Formats: sequence, C-alpha cells, structure tokens
Amino acid sequence: QITLKESGPTLVKPTQTLTLTCTFSGFSLNDAGGGLGWIRQPPGKALEWLAVIYFNDDRRYRPSLKSRLTIITDTSKNQVVLTMTDMDPVDTGTYYCAHKGLWLYNFDQWGQGTLVTVSS
Amino acid sequence: QSALTQPASVSGSPGQSITISCTGSSSDVGGYNYVSWYQQHPGKAPKLLMSDVSNRPAGVSNRFSGSKSGNTASLTISGLQAEDEADYYCSSYSNTAHWVFGGGTKATVL
Repeated sequence: QITLKESGPTLVKPTQTLTLTCTFSGFSLNDAGGGLGWIRQPPGKALEWLAVIYFNDDRRYRPSLKSRLTIITDTSKNQVVLTMTDMDPVDTGTYYCAHKGLWLYNFDQWGQGTLVTVSS
Repeated sequence: QSALTQPASVSGSPGQSITISCTGSSSDVGGYNYVSWYQQHPGKAPKLLMSDVSNRPAGVSNRFSGSKSGNTASLTISGLQAEDEADYYCSSYSNTAHWVFGGGTKATVL
C-alpha cells in the first residue's frame, strides 16, 4: 500500500524559502518507471504541476518556476524535499506530493496535501 | 491560464450521462496518448480516474470512460450519481511544459 504525507510550514513570509517534505511508504524511488511529483492548488483554483523526479534521477520542473524550484531526495528516509525560493502571496495554496504510476504519465496516489500561506 | 482548456461546469440529472472535454494542442493532448483524468471532492486530494486516455485504474467504476479525438480528450460519466458531484481535472504530458493540467470542471448532479 502506497502512502504519502506532506509536511512543512503553514505560514511563510514573502521572499522566504519554502521547504516541504514528502514522506512516503509502499514504494521506492528506484522502482523502474516510477517517480514522485509535486502539485499545488491555489485556493479555489486549478491544479498546477510543479516538479517531478523520476526513478533514473531525472528531475523536471514547471518552466515558469524552474529557477525557484529544487527537488532533493533522501532515499534512506523515504523522503523527497521540495524547496521553492522567493515566496510570494500568489504561491499560497495546498501543496501535494504524489506517486507517479510505473511507466505512466499519471499520479496514481496522492498525499493529503498541506496548506501553505504566504503573508507578512 | 491553464495549458489545457476545460468547461467551467457541466451538469446532469441522476441516471443521465455527462461529458467533460479537455482541449490542448499537438504538443500535448493531440501528440500523445498520455491524458489522465482526476476527480476531486471538496477538501480532498485528487483521485486518479483514467490513465492513458481510456484506461481505468483498478477500483474505478466502469461508469467512467475516456476518449480522444485530435487535440481534445473527453471524460464521460454514465448513469450519473450524487457521489459524482465533484471537480474533474485532465492532465497530459507536454513536450514543451513537460506536464500540464486543465483548468478543472465542476460537475453538478441536479
């Protein structure tokens, strides 16, 4: 059974760096064809894909946010960390991590999400 | 502005069928069979409904079906039930943006 859970601050100030951790179980980042992604959702708005790390350590980022995003893995702890620099109020939203289906372009299991508010 | 275009809302009566469209371009929906659909109830995480245009994951009702024609993918819900009232999102691989979502469609059961 695959489970994922996001953790991190609920409130960050503008210009600060956001660090979110996804702790998962039931799979390995090394599973062939697999991976883990980050998706966010501003309040009342649509889902936005942010980043994905594939089983072969290939990392891809949302083009408009590429300069601000970094994925870091800690395979020993079954954790993936997403950092986003220079936070702005428009970055307020619920941030999800999700398991990428094996050899598929989908996210088949999602964490519960964590709400991050950017405000001074 | 979302990369994929969906209608803001669709509605239908119990037992009826509704179809949600997802329009992209040859860079995403039209160029690859990598369209997925997600269902999201209020306050909940999205749930995968459909993969690779028309493949239902285990446990998803066969009342949900997917298709694609050109740059437009569609999700059809047959035999509409009250529990189908939710937001629906399409997603696709993109050779320009890598991964894109639609703007979401609110499905209402009348």
